[in-house]
Amino acid sequence: GAVVSQHPSWVICKSGTSVKIECRSLDFQATTMFWYRQFPKQSLMLMATSNEGSKATYEQGVEKDKFLINHASLTLSTLTVTSAHPEDSSFYICSARRDSPFSAFFGQGTRLTVV
Amino acid sequence: DAKTTQPTSMDCAEGRAANLPCNHSTISGNEYVYWYRQIHSQGPQYIIHGLKNNETNEMASLIITEDRKSSTLILPHATLRDTAVYYCIVRVNTNAGKSTFGDGTTLTVKP
Repeated sequence: GAVVSQHPSWVICKSGTSVKIECRSLDFQATTMFWYRQFPKQSLMLMATSNEGSKATYEQGVEKDKFLINHASLTLSTLTVTSAHPEDSSFYICSARRDSPFSAFFGQGTRLTVV
Repeated sequence: DAKTTQPTSMDCAEGRAANLPCNHSTISGNEYVYWYRQIHSQGPQYIIHGLKNNETNEMASLIITEDRKSSTLILPHATLRDTAVYYCIVRVNTNAGKSTFGDGTTLTVKP
């Protein structure tokens, strides 16, 4: 099946710093990617929809200035957590939509720990 | 997306079939039933999906009732590696990638 890769798999950063997470579709072009967040023992929550060449669409309650999304190419979307705080510690997961054949694939996730 | 209801947890003996139910009584005519699973600290893995007919692939079988208000995912010979959280999601096909995840069913396969 198609592969979606996230980098890094895990990251530890200090409070107040910014962290960038990459989501790549390795063998197909993805005009649309999605970012999810998952806190311990909870389900995945959609944060935003990332569209290649245009602004991301954020779900209600997600701060767009804190979670910067850039989808500059058909194979790469990035999520930057700015001025990270311990409460931003979470598991961040992306998915990429393939148009032909129509389907979607998830990355392996990125574990962010803010200390 | 239509709301789904799944049991919180289930146990299954290794080598036996695991039958995971899902209720989706408000499903619309153009909504598909998708199943994903999430093994601890990994991203969700696609298992199978269907619209009306029963479906089978190398991983599992999906049985959808005639009225489409419920479905069952069947893992025919569960192994310890099938221990995971299983999510049943109902959505239109054009929303691929954009899913509303419920709490899912934690399946524990025991030796």
